Amino acid sequence: RKEVEQDPGPFNVPEGATVAFNCTYSNSASQSFFWYRQDCRKEPKLLMSVYSSGNEDGRFTAQLNRASQYISLLIRDSKLSDSATYLCVVNIGNSGYALNFGKGTSLLVTP
Amino acid sequence: DAGITQSPRHKVTETGTPVTLRCHQTENHRYMYWYRQDPGHGLRLIHYSYGVKDTDKGEVSDGYSVSRSKTEDFLLTLESATSSQTSVYFCAIGLGLNEQFFGPGTRLTVL
Repeated sequence: RKEVEQDPGPFNVPEGATVAFNCTYSNSASQSFFWYRQDCRKEPKLLMSVYSSGNEDGRFTAQLNRASQYISLLIRDSKLSDSATYLCVVNIGNSGYALNFGKGTSLLVTP
Repeated sequence: DAGITQSPRHKVTETGTPVTLRCHQTENHRYMYWYRQDPGHGLRLIHYSYGVKDTDKGEVSDGYSVSRSKTEDFLLTLESATSSQTSVYFCAIGLGLNEQFFGPGTRLTVL
């Protein structure tokens, strides 16, 4: 069973739309949570950390539900430049604090 | 951007040859990681290091070895390359449970 599961998509949405990505993780001992963004043929880059209280950064809102072991990312007012793959990432705290990655959700924002 | 570089950026090699990939950081981070990324699998941990000469295996370590003789350099060696090791290799640096920063990646093709 994969540690981190997310819908691979692709999600095709028009500019201005709101889109939500979901992710579940299997290890209840997981300690930190992130959304990374990866553009085609590039390295993953941190989009935002995810906190239990929920957090927002501009058009992006992340939520964490520890009881359900569920993480979400909401993107409002989608831009063409939001087209990328979004990686749900969990740190269990073992293996030298290595990250556990979901396979990614592909987003394409169209004009 | 975090000061992390990888070399080479692209390499084509033949089955059975040894290959060494280099990761170099200027951030003085204690933890360094090697991941590989393949379609349908997401990023998976190969090896990690928690200090000079301190390394350990990750999820997919068979066929790989690592060395860290200086804080800033983390080398990944494919002892005898196989076609199954064709992949994109990312180095990352991190600080405990906090986010990690990734290098630009090395695209390796084993013929």
